[in-house]
Amino acid sequence: KAGVTQTPRYLIKTRGQQVTLSCSPISGHRSVSWYQQTPGQGLQFLFEYFSETQRNKGNFPGRFSGRQFSNSRSEMNVSTLELGDSALYLCASSFPLAYQETQYFGPGTRLLVL
Amino acid sequence: SQQGEEDPQALSIQEGENATMNCSYKTSINNLQWYRQNSGRGLVHLILIRSNEREKHSGRLRVTLDTSKKSSSLLITASRAADTASYFCATSQGAQKLVFGQGTRLTINP
Repeated sequence: KAGVTQTPRYLIKTRGQQVTLSCSPISGHRSVSWYQQTPGQGLQFLFEYFSETQRNKGNFPGRFSGRQFSNSRSEMNVSTLELGDSALYLCASSFPLAYQETQYFGPGTRLLVL
Repeated sequence: SQQGEEDPQALSIQEGENATMNCSYKTSINNLQWYRQNSGRGLVHLILIRSNEREKHSGRLRVTLDTSKKSSSLLITASRAADTASYFCATSQGAQKLVFGQGTRLTINP
């Protein structure tokens, strides 16, 4: 079974721009979670989607948003990028409930904001 | 704020030795999971232990959970160079998300 894939793997943007990251979960997985990882804050939960609905959200500003499609693929968007948004963004999929079972992580998208 | 706190933050041992890292958490949990991350890449799930379990094994890994002390430990026996990575504990509390600790950076010296 193919693993979780994330595109793009690397991205360089400038302040004020917006960015969209994509995540394709493992086939059959309906829950997709997003995390931000930085050296200072560690791994922080952004949000979780299940069956196209946002089921949980972390403590991030409204500039961070996401969505999930009917095929369970998910995108996250960051608008008006700030320098502090530079991070590794990780997507994870699971079945059936993210908080109860193993999460399978993708390789991440490394975003650099200049 | 992080739910899990790993200890130590960094650990360096010789190949073949055992490595032990600890995780403490603050609130009651449904389960606790350990993940490994190699140098800025995605996380790999190692083991999940449920709140009603006390010990679990998987290959060279042994995880214990003490809910009365709100702590868990991960033991890696007979370490190998390939075990060099960061190790994270993650807890689920009932809110539908995993909360990760800051991680233990393990270095295995040949």
